Amino acid sequence: EVQLVQSGAEVKKPGESLKISCKGSGYIFNSYWIAWVRQVPGKGLEWMGFIFPGDSDTRYSPSFQGQVTMSADKSISTAYLQWSSLKASDTAMYYCAGHKTFHYGMDVWGQGTTVTVSS
Amino acid sequence: DIQMTQSPSSLSASVGDRVTITCRASQSISSYLNWYQETPGKAPKLLIYAASNLQSGVPSRFSGTGSGTDFTLTISSLQDEDFATYYCQQSHTIPYTFGQGTKLDI
Repeated sequence: EVQLVQSGAEVKKPGESLKISCKGSGYIFNSYWIAWVRQVPGKGLEWMGFIFPGDSDTRYSPSFQGQVTMSADKSISTAYLQWSSLKASDTAMYYCAGHKTFHYGMDVWGQGTTVTVSS
Repeated sequence: DIQMTQSPSSLSASVGDRVTITCRASQSISSYLNWYQETPGKAPKLLIYAASNLQSGVPSRFSGTGSGTDFTLTISSLQDEDFATYYCQQSHTIPYTFGQGTKLDI
């Protein structure tokens, strides 16, 4: 079964760093683009960008370029989203999701990771 | 960025109703339009990809049409489990932007 499993909820202080993970199963990490999607509480979905774990080709939304770093380790079928200095405005649910091809919809999703940034 | 505008933002309907949600892109996106369903506490689910293709496992009461800038999602006969929030998303040009969502409730 093709699925993505994300790391657990995080509570951090402003200024701290964080790296959350998304582990795939099956063939997903050899062929899918892995995207990250943000959902601020009570708001809609925002596509942050995606990475192709096969060669680490990464495309960011301009809104998130420079704010986060996406990476992947295909040897352990895991993608990562990291922050070097969190802000309160980073408080959100973060989903990883897979695009079967560059222009395909996201047909497989992780369960989401809640990130809370509060002093 | 390509702006995606959904209408309506919210919609009240009853079981058995036929409902249509529209999505308009700020520029042509060919058929690179996807529809998702989000229910509380769950990750979004892909319903329709490439404007009109039903994702595997999705009931046939869901359908999508459109190309260029105007798209629709239709649910032919609402079931209890369909009361959710629906999002369109363009996958033509990075960043792959979403509409603001349409909340469908009873």
